[in-house]
Amino acid sequence: DGGITQSPKYLFRKEGQNVTLSCEQNLNHDAMYWYRQDPGQGLRLIYYSQIVNDFQKGDIAEGYSVSREKKESFPLTVTSAQKNPTAFYLCASSPTWGQLGGTGELFFGEGSRLTVL
Amino acid sequence: DQQVKQNSPSLSVQEGRISILNCDYTNSMFDYFLWYKKYPAEGPTFLISISSIKDKNEDGRFTVFLNKSAKHLSLHIVPSQPGDSAVYFCAAWGNTGKLIFGQGTTLQVKP
Repeated sequence: DGGITQSPKYLFRKEGQNVTLSCEQNLNHDAMYWYRQDPGQGLRLIYYSQIVNDFQKGDIAEGYSVSREKKESFPLTVTSAQKNPTAFYLCASSPTWGQLGGTGELFFGEGSRLTVL
Repeated sequence: DQQVKQNSPSLSVQEGRISILNCDYTNSMFDYFLWYKKYPAEGPTFLISISSIKDKNEDGRFTVFLNKSAKHLSLHIVPSQPGDSAVYFCAAWGNTGKLIFGQGTTLQVKP
């Protein structure tokens, strides 16, 4: 089945530790995205990648880092510099960046819940 | 600065009735709008979209209406079913190439 796989589904971290969330897609999509969901705040964009070997900061990139070395993979590292990392993290992809030439739909993974102890 | 706003955090309707979820936006450069449905601890799933050149799009029980002059869109679900109970997000594409989401509205459909 084609889709987006995020792992782990649940992750606990001690303060001061970096953690990396995995996101893999087999949809052959060029663009990939990381969002964060907090209660009452909707989904906020952390980083996005229009194409392999390229990525851009979103609206809340501070304390996060990403890489896009392969088309199918877009891992997110939550660093110790992120002041409030406890959240639900969502990875998404789309055939192309933006809504041009398509429905504009992003395809989401199942999410990863990170809790800082 | 919240560019896409869903001012009702929650909505409760009776099964079989109409559910109307509202969304307002502030950026006139937004030209494509989407609605997503999300269950707890899962990723959002796409429901329906509308381009700014249209004022209505329908897909089965779901209809999205767009009022560009008011910068307002709404999602109508008719008839509502208990399985529709979820969080609904509206989202908008603009010239920045970012998909901006609203805060979400939790819909509860009572049997």
